[in-house]
Parts: sequence; structure tokens; C-alpha cells
Amino acid sequence: DQQVKQNSPSLSVQEGRISILNCDYTNSMFDYFLWYKKYPAEGPTFLISISSIKDKNEDGRFTVFLNKSAKHLSLHIVPSQPGDSAVYFCAASGRENSWGKFQFGAGTQVVVTP
Amino acid sequence: SQTIHQWPATLVQPVGSPLSLECTVEGTSNPNLYWYRQAAGRGLQLLFYSVGIGQISSEVPQNLSASRPQDRQFILSSKKLLLSDSGFYLCAWSVRGTEQYFGPGTRLTVT
Repeated sequence: DQQVKQNSPSLSVQEGRISILNCDYTNSMFDYFLWYKKYPAEGPTFLISISSIKDKNEDGRFTVFLNKSAKHLSLHIVPSQPGDSAVYFCAASGRENSWGKFQFGAGTQVVVTP
Repeated sequence: SQTIHQWPATLVQPVGSPLSLECTVEGTSNPNLYWYRQAAGRGLQLLFYSVGIGQISSEVPQNLSASRPQDRQFILSSKKLLLSDSGFYLCAWSVRGTEQYFGPGTRLTVT
């Protein structure tokens, strides 16, 4: 039962342009969301989070948008840089989740081309 | 600052052999600890989590077990490896309910 879905397995974007990564979830109890970036053979690194009391959170080149009614969040990277080429995972957890258990999507491979 | 270590980085083991992967965290006390597996081309699957010494919860039935003998040590084990146990194993820590921070991972190949 995949409660967090990243339907685009890959994304190619030109350097300097915007990368938009999408994530959908099915569990209406999810209220805290994370994005991670992962290079091959390394552990994921935390990028940005958003809670359900907000619809936008920004950190430098990274902005996450949350649409609770659509159960959809997106990560915008502007401008995209070659070092952004990686796999990006979204993750979600619920308010009742005191253990910090997150459901992860399958990931989107981003390739930034010169 | 907090640091998380995992070893070994890579491991090749024959089917039927035992397994022990270790994870330690520095710079924090009483963290939540997690073991994940990433199979080839797949997302992150939560295997085990722990909220304290000796407290282990399993997320999926499998050939693996976990133990937490000390506050900042988390061990993933198996008595007899299967081919399907191959994958990239990740340990992570968090303070209650917040974002998780991952270790560098262990690439396990079962032959």
C-alpha cells in the first residue's frame, strides 16, 4: 500500500531553469512532509520540510508547496545547477506518529544538463 | 554537532551466512533510530525503528532482526542471509517526530 507516490521516475532540466518535482499522498492524516536528496552510494540528505499549517516553505533555491485539499506537494528548485543531479525523495508522517515514522516515495531522478 | 556512522560500507556475503551491520550516533542523546533498505530502483523501505534501549519495532516480516544494546547503537542482523536481502541499508536518527538524518549506508550483496 503505497501511501506516498512520486509518479515521475525521472526529470531532465536545463541548467538555470526551474525543476519541479511532484509528490502525492493518500493518507489524510499526514501533516508533516520532508524532501530528501540522494546521491548514488550515499545516504539521503535532508533538504526542506513543511507542516500542514503552512502551504509554502522556502530555503534558498528550494521551495516546497503543499496543497492539502489535493493531497499534493511539490518541490521547486530555482535555478537548477549541475550539482542538483540526484534522486529526490518525498516523505510524509502523521500527527499521531510520535515515533517519527515516515512513508517515503519511490524517488525522482533529476538530471541537470548544461 | 551530530554524526552518524555505519559500517561496513560494502559487504559481499554468501547465501546462508550471518549478517551484522552496525550504526552509531554521536552528539545526541536518546534518539529515535531507524533501519531502512533501498532495493535497486526502489524507494526507502522502513525495516525497524527504536525509541529506546532494547525497544525495537519491526515494520515488515522478514529475515532480519535489529537490536539496540546502547542508547546510540543500532545493529541489524540476520542468522542466514537470502538472495533477496541484497540492497542498500541505511541507518537514520531523529529527535521525536522530526526530520531524520541518514548515515552513509551499507551496500550488501548476497551471492
